[in-house]
Amino acid sequence: EDQVTQSPEALRLQEGESSSLNCSYTVSGLRGLFWYRQDPGKGPEFLFTLYSAGEEKEKERLKATLTKKESFLHITAPKPEDSATYLCAVAGTASKLTFGTGTRLQVTL
Amino acid sequence: KAGVTQTPRYLIKTRGQQVTLSCSPISGHRSVSWYQQTPGQGLQFLFEYFSETQRNKGNFPGRFSGRQFSNSRSEMNVSTLELGDSALYLCASSLAPGAEHEQYFGPGTRLTVT
Repeated sequence: EDQVTQSPEALRLQEGESSSLNCSYTVSGLRGLFWYRQDPGKGPEFLFTLYSAGEEKEKERLKATLTKKESFLHITAPKPEDSATYLCAVAGTASKLTFGTGTRLQVTL
Repeated sequence: KAGVTQTPRYLIKTRGQQVTLSCSPISGHRSVSWYQQTPGQGLQFLFEYFSETQRNKGNFPGRFSGRQFSNSRSEMNVSTLELGDSALYLCASSLAPGAEHEQYFGPGTRLTVT
């Protein structure tokens, strides 16, 4: 059975204080690893897809990386508007998304 | 381009009743997946539909069912509601079937069972 573990559960940063969120996974035949952002009361918003170890993708202050066992979401110089829950999910040969429980990020002034 | 829409946004039902939720995918997207999100279990996959056929199903009881219409719109039904069915139900659409394709989520339907 595919499994995703995200850490930390919650993270509080000051504006401009860079950090990384971790997503460890076990999956049968990785077909893709996904990062989503979810704001309270809303559906998840797609951020990145990574398909193979060594792959990296960037979007504004966010950068996602992938190894054979984990993925990192690096946040550089975060702003208060980056506050949200960040979800990681994997797709394996079972062809369904398995989500982690997320990291709640709060960025303060 | 309009995003995924879900109706209704909020529902309150009583134990034992049944409920139907609706999802309209992004124009051109033919695959629709449904998820249940709760504080304790997080996001869990319910099922996926493509071309009016269920392609995949998660580990939920038979009380949870769904269907897809020829215009790709989808509905999910929960019968004999239980308190534990209270959750945010999310619909996601993608261009092609299979979880390896990017899925775009709607705002969800918040179901409360009393």
